[in-house]
Amino acid sequence: QKEVEQNSGPLSVPEGAIASLNCTYSDRVSQSFFWYRQYSGKSPELIMSIYSNGDKEDGRFTAQLNKASQYVSLLIRDSQPSDSATYLCAVIVAAGNKLTFGGGTRVLVKP
Amino acid sequence: ETGVTQTPRHLVMGMTNKKSLKCEQHLGHNAMYWYKQSAKKPLELMFVYSLEERVENNSVPSRFSPECPNSSHLFLHLHTLQPEDSALYLCASSTRTGSNQPQHFGDGTRLSIL
Repeated sequence: QKEVEQNSGPLSVPEGAIASLNCTYSDRVSQSFFWYRQYSGKSPELIMSIYSNGDKEDGRFTAQLNKASQYVSLLIRDSQPSDSATYLCAVIVAAGNKLTFGGGTRVLVKP
Repeated sequence: ETGVTQTPRHLVMGMTNKKSLKCEQHLGHNAMYWYKQSAKKPLELMFVYSLEERVENNSVPSRFSPECPNSSHLFLHLHTLQPEDSALYLCASSTRTGSNQPQHFGDGTRLSIL
């Protein structure tokens, strides 16, 4: 089982709609969770961090964490074509205390 | 000026060449990292440095040799690489290693091995 799993996509979303991305992780004691956005040919850019169960909102982004079910999600409201990118879920895995990435979900927002 | 700067942005080298990748961070961080990103594969952690001391070597072949002369600079020395080493090499930094510390990435070096 992969430590951090994401659907590779592409997730096709009409402009103005909500994009919903999911991520599951295997290490039950993980405490820190991050979402990065990566445009093609560019480096990953941190967009959200979440540490507690529940929702965390930042602008058009909402991260949701459910530690009991071991998943973290990202919602992008009012999706724009500029949101088209690959979104990487990253988890600090307790064993070795290192940041482990999922394979990323590619999002395409169509005008 | 970006927080984490990597040079060169692109590098093409033969299998017998020796080259070095450079990373510099201007964020006052104490931890620095090298990652490899290959097509259709997750980011792979290669090395972790905390206060210039290597704290993690993630089973990386010896043809990759890291160097951290101070907390702001990180190098990756390359020699006798293989075609499968062609990838995007990303440097990152964080306040310190450990939980709750997000990492900030440089723009990467796109490496192609002929």
